Amino acid sequence: AQSVTQPDIHITVSEGASLELRCNYSYGATPYLFWYVQSPGQGLQLLLKYFSGDTLVQGIKGFEAEFKRSQSSFNLRKPSVHWSDAAEYFCAVGARAGGTSYGKLTFGQGTILTVHP
Amino acid sequence: NAGVTQTPKFRVLKTGQSMTLLCAQDMNHEYMYWYRQDPGMGLRLIHYSVGEGTTAKGEVPDGYNVSRLKKQNFLLGLESAAPSQTSVYFCASSYTGQVDLNIQYFGAGTRLSVL
Repeated sequence: AQSVTQPDIHITVSEGASLELRCNYSYGATPYLFWYVQSPGQGLQLLLKYFSGDTLVQGIKGFEAEFKRSQSSFNLRKPSVHWSDAAEYFCAVGARAGGTSYGKLTFGQGTILTVHP
Repeated sequence: NAGVTQTPKFRVLKTGQSMTLLCAQDMNHEYMYWYRQDPGMGLRLIHYSVGEGTTAKGEVPDGYNVSRLKKQNFLLGLESAAPSQTSVYFCASSYTGQVDLNIQYFGAGTRLSVL
């Protein structure tokens, strides 16, 4: 069974500082990997995705993530955080195997990001 | 583009009451999903649909029913609400295809409290 762990429930950074949010997954093969962001009172917005190829993927809003197969990780990074980045971030893994009849996304518990001015 | 629209945005129910949450998408997506979001637990799949007239159970289906009478709409029903169903409910939709069905578009959510 696939699973996702986000070890950090809450992270606080200062505006302008760098950011790294951790994500570890469990899956029997190379998975599809996603990062979503949820601003207060809003739905989830896709930040970036990894399907194959280059293990460093670029997303919207200046975010990037690196897939490390050896560590089963897909950490999200941003070099300089803005106050508007304060939100909850979810890592998710999607099933790649044949026979799946729907988009079985498994989400992590989420990491709440607070940005101090 | 409206994308995925959920109504209502907020609702308070008493235990035992019933209600229906509506999800509408204008992207002509085949697949639609209902999730619930609880603190510290991420999103969990309740029910999903792979096309008009079809529904199937997800990870946490008990206490919920769904219907997909029209391709663009996916309804989630609570027949007899319980306090354990207090949660934020999200609807999502996606295209078909091994890759595309993993890219889901979410609505803004419905915050439900059951007293």
